[in-house]
Amino acid sequence: DAKTTQPPSMDCAEGRAANLPCNHSTISGNEYVYWYRQIHSQGPQYIIHGLKNNETNEMASLIITEDRKSSTLILPHATLRDTAVYYCIVRAANTGTASKLTFGTGTRLQVTL
Amino acid sequence: NAGVMQNPRHLVRRRGQEARLRCSPMKGHSHVYWYRQLPEEGLKFMVYLQKENIIDESGMPKERFSAEFPKEGPSILRIQQVVRGDSAAYFCASSQSGAVETQYFGPGTRLLVL
Repeated sequence: DAKTTQPPSMDCAEGRAANLPCNHSTISGNEYVYWYRQIHSQGPQYIIHGLKNNETNEMASLIITEDRKSSTLILPHATLRDTAVYYCIVRAANTGTASKLTFGTGTRLQVTL
Repeated sequence: NAGVMQNPRHLVRRRGQEARLRCSPMKGHSHVYWYRQLPEEGLKFMVYLQKENIIDESGMPKERFSAEFPKEGPSILRIQQVVRGDSAAYFCASSQSGAVETQYFGPGTRLLVL
């Protein structure tokens, strides 16, 4: 799986949009970009994933650049409950050993009043 | 629809004892993954199982650790003769199939070895 690079930490004011970047310059054509978050040692929570096109769900939006070498997770109106470590993971669409998720160090997002 | 369930949520063992961690996947999911998070570290993949089969155990320590996912019942991660270094949070995830299917995580089991 391709490696990802994320800033170690970010701050965001409550009510503002949180934009979390991720670099994955070695991504292959069959690799998806997944985002998870972990709130204070709870189990990781799935947020969103995409291949080429931008994606949106009730939690967030995922913007993937045209060359697919980077992406941005957008939380449109951050709240204090969004304070967490956010992980960007690149994962191949194959079966077997490629099914595992490889977590990096993620971005620690602190949402403040 | 209940999510992934893990029990116990907390487990205390003395050195040399055995630890058994259980994971019930989401309804309709037949693929289970185990991950470990050591204190102040990231999550690391341990093992991937389908019903009655181990698909990938590349992250499992070679000794003392084993996992199973029987035809009936939960998946079990078993740690024999625990040592202090086994103290960690163990998370289970499940998916409908392998490949690109989304994995959903349980709340984890916190193992403390005294």
